[in-house]
Amino acid sequence: EAQVTQNPRYLITVTGKKLTVTCSQNMNHEYMSWYRQDPGLGLRQIYYSMNVEVTDKGDVPEGYKVSRKEKRNFPLILESPSPNQTSLYFCASKRTSGRHQFFGPGTRLTVL
Amino acid sequence: KNEVEQSPQNLTAQEGEFITINCSYSVGISALHWLQQHPGGGIVSLFMLSSGKKKHGRLIATINIQEKHSSLHITASHPRDSAVYICAVSDNFGNEKLTFGTGTRLTIIP
Repeated sequence: EAQVTQNPRYLITVTGKKLTVTCSQNMNHEYMSWYRQDPGLGLRQIYYSMNVEVTDKGDVPEGYKVSRKEKRNFPLILESPSPNQTSLYFCASKRTSGRHQFFGPGTRLTVL
Repeated sequence: KNEVEQSPQNLTAQEGEFITINCSYSVGISALHWLQQHPGGGIVSLFMLSSGKKKHGRLIATINIQEKHSSLHITASHPRDSAVYICAVSDNFGNEKLTFGTGTRLTIIP
């Protein structure tokens, strides 16, 4: 089944404890992206990647890192999480020439 | 002022009604997207359009580039259409960067 998977789906952690949220797609898509969703602010793009080893900042990259060493994986790294990074995170992917992005199920992160 | 504005923020209608959700943007774009977020949180891409009109089942999306405005219409609305509908725009620098509206919460009452 064609899909985008994220792990974990739910995470409660404490300030300063490094964490990684994984994202994987099995559709051989070139483009992948991370978004966060907050009440009243909607979805905002954190980082995106046009292909392997090509990443760029979205609108809210501060406090996040990404890497794209393989086409299928695009992990989101929070080196030192803070409470303002408490949010719902979505990963998405698409073919470069595709019209539609395919979204993962979301990861709900709480930073205490 | 946000670059992408949606209206209304909330919409409640009776089953069978014709629904219109509006999206206005203030920047140059290469494409406009409509997304649907189900009550469980999952997001589905409905349309990507850069001109004219697209139709999929009971959903119709239109865009007017000159007026920087798009509409999403739902004909013969059904309770299963209840969701948050999100408009997003791709900038015109060819990098797929997306800017989102804050969404319209649609509730269809049986």
